[in-house]
Amino acid sequence: AQSVTQLGSHVSVSEGALVLLRCNYSSSVPPYLFWYVQYPNQGLQLLLKYTSAATLVKGINGFEAEFKKSETSFHLTKPSAHMSDAAEYFCAVSSSGGSYIPTFGRGTSLIVHP
Amino acid sequence: EAEVAQSPRYKITEKSQAVAFWCDPISGHATLYWYRQILGQGPELLVQFQDESVVDDSQLPKDRFSAERLKGVDSTLKIQPAELGDSAMYLCASSYLSGQGYEQYFGPGTRLTVT
Repeated sequence: AQSVTQLGSHVSVSEGALVLLRCNYSSSVPPYLFWYVQYPNQGLQLLLKYTSAATLVKGINGFEAEFKKSETSFHLTKPSAHMSDAAEYFCAVSSSGGSYIPTFGRGTSLIVHP
Repeated sequence: EAEVAQSPRYKITEKSQAVAFWCDPISGHATLYWYRQILGQGPELLVQFQDESVVDDSQLPKDRFSAERLKGVDSTLKIQPAELGDSAMYLCASSYLSGQGYEQYFGPGTRLTVT
């Protein structure tokens, strides 16, 4: 079985501040991990993915995430928030234990203040 | 850049009516997924196709929902009859293959409102 927990349904930051969105996963076998972004009334767009090649993964729009097996975490960060980063962010896990069908978290809404 | 196409983008229907959603995946993508996303939640898988075959439809309410991908390319999701609780965003996604970390590409979704 596999699952994802995203801590905090809403995260509020000021423009230029560090962005940190938390994701913890549960998987009995090595997982693949993903972060997606969703803007209002649009589909999901892949930001980055972890496939065991490197624990620090760099994605689009300046985002990166670090896989920490000991903490079962895959937190998403960005050094400096932009107004355009305001959106809903979803963490997802897939593994052989779940037939590689991704399981999504409930999402975290990022609010960026000017 | 290739994209997943979905139509319609928005659909308002009355309870007990039939509705249908269409999805055209990225060319060459063998795997197609239909998800339902309730407001404020993450997407939940309804059905997964590999080419024209259903791989997983365990979460599809089969008494009212049906999905097909007859030629292994585009796909249709149907609800008959629609219920108030079906109001949600219906997302289609495709991937080159399933498993092994292949990422999914999502379409813009169909926002369904049942009145």
